[in-house]
Amino acid sequence: RKEVEQDPGPFNVPEGATVAFNCTYSNSASQSFFWYRQDCRKEPKLLMSVYSSGNEDGRFTAQLNRASQYISLLIRDSKLSDSATYLCVVTLTGNQFYFGTGTSLTVIP
Amino acid sequence: EAGVAQSPRYKIIEKRQSVAFWCNPISGHATLYWYQQILGQGPKLLIQFQNNGVVDDSQLPKDRFSAERLKGVDSTLKIQPAKLEDSAVYLCASSHYRTGAETQYFGPGTRLLVL
Repeated sequence: RKEVEQDPGPFNVPEGATVAFNCTYSNSASQSFFWYRQDCRKEPKLLMSVYSSGNEDGRFTAQLNRASQYISLLIRDSKLSDSATYLCVVTLTGNQFYFGTGTSLTVIP
Repeated sequence: EAGVAQSPRYKIIEKRQSVAFWCNPISGHATLYWYQQILGQGPKLLIQFQNNGVVDDSQLPKDRFSAERLKGVDSTLKIQPAKLEDSAVYLCASSHYRTGAETQYFGPGTRLLVL
């Protein structure tokens, strides 16, 4: 079983739409959680960390549900520049990072 | 602050040849990671170093892949001999890891094509 599972999409949404991605993880001992963004032919970059209390950064909101072992990312008022692949990342002990396969988002004018 | 450096950026080789990739992490970052990212997939961890010691190499195909970080700074990843399925982007990342999980910073990657 994979450590991290994501719906690969693709998600094609119009500008201004709200879109949500979910991710599940298999190991209940997972310690830290992140969303990374990867543009086409570029390296992954940290988008935001995910906390149990939830956190918000502008149009982006991340939530963690430890009981159900899932992580979500909500993007409001989608912009063309949000088009990318969004990677769910979970760490285990020893700072070992495990990536999901990524969810592809295309925002359409 | 300088980012993670990798070279070469691109490499084309024939199957059964050897290839080596180099990575220089962000200064002061104790943890260094090598990932393989096949098109359409997320990065897969190959090996993780803490200073010059190996933390996790459980997914490294040791019959053909090797990696070292002799002085706890820069690192090399080698494939010998290469197979067609090794065509991928090889990403190096580093993090502080002082008190727990820290943000990873990725280099630009090396795109390998095996013909």
